[in-house]
Amino acid sequence: SQTIHQWPATLVQPVGSPLSLECTVEGTSNPNLYWYRQAAGRGLQLLFYSVGIGQISSEVPQNLSASRPQDRQFILSSKKLLLSDSGFYLCAWARGEASGNTIYFGEGSWLTVV
Amino acid sequence: GNSVTQMEGPVTLSEEAFLTINCTYTATGYPSLFWYVQYPGEGLQLLLKATKADDKGSNKGFEATYRKETTSFHLEKGSVQVSDSAVYFCAQGAAGNKLTFGGGTRVLVKP
Repeated sequence: SQTIHQWPATLVQPVGSPLSLECTVEGTSNPNLYWYRQAAGRGLQLLFYSVGIGQISSEVPQNLSASRPQDRQFILSSKKLLLSDSGFYLCAWARGEASGNTIYFGEGSWLTVV
Repeated sequence: GNSVTQMEGPVTLSEEAFLTINCTYTATGYPSLFWYVQYPGEGLQLLLKATKADDKGSNKGFEATYRKETTSFHLEKGSVQVSDSAVYFCAQGAAGNKLTFGGGTRVLVKP
């Protein structure tokens, strides 16, 4: 069976510090990978998606970047965090690109920038 | 562009009450539609989905029917339990298997 894990689960970071959230998927190959953010009191926003190693598409301009160094590894980064980067970050994966395919989410990472 | 609109919460119900959460969408064509649920402190889980018009998705006593005439995908459950307390998200699928979510509806079921 397929599993998805992301870490760390929670972190508190000062403004201006770097960020690295990591996500790995097991039990499948060449998945589509996604990073979503849920800001406080708001819905989910797609930040990045990737269809393959080294292939990253950004959905919204922001202070964050994503990388996919391996087939089943997806990393969300920032060089200097802003207060507005606080939120709940969710990694997700799906098979292929058909719009009816189910997207599976990780457990989420709570980021508080202080 | 594509969008999803769902009723704002919070929705507070008593146990065994009937639950409806309205969801409408705007899109070019006929996207797949989803309901995801987020229990307190957890990530999102797929609750149900429908991939074409008139399909009915169902799971855990929840149902939603894809209505292309009204561009809606309302979520219903006939008798809620305390364990159904969560945030419910309606979403539509787009090219690249990317989801566009509604704002989420918080449901609180009291004993």
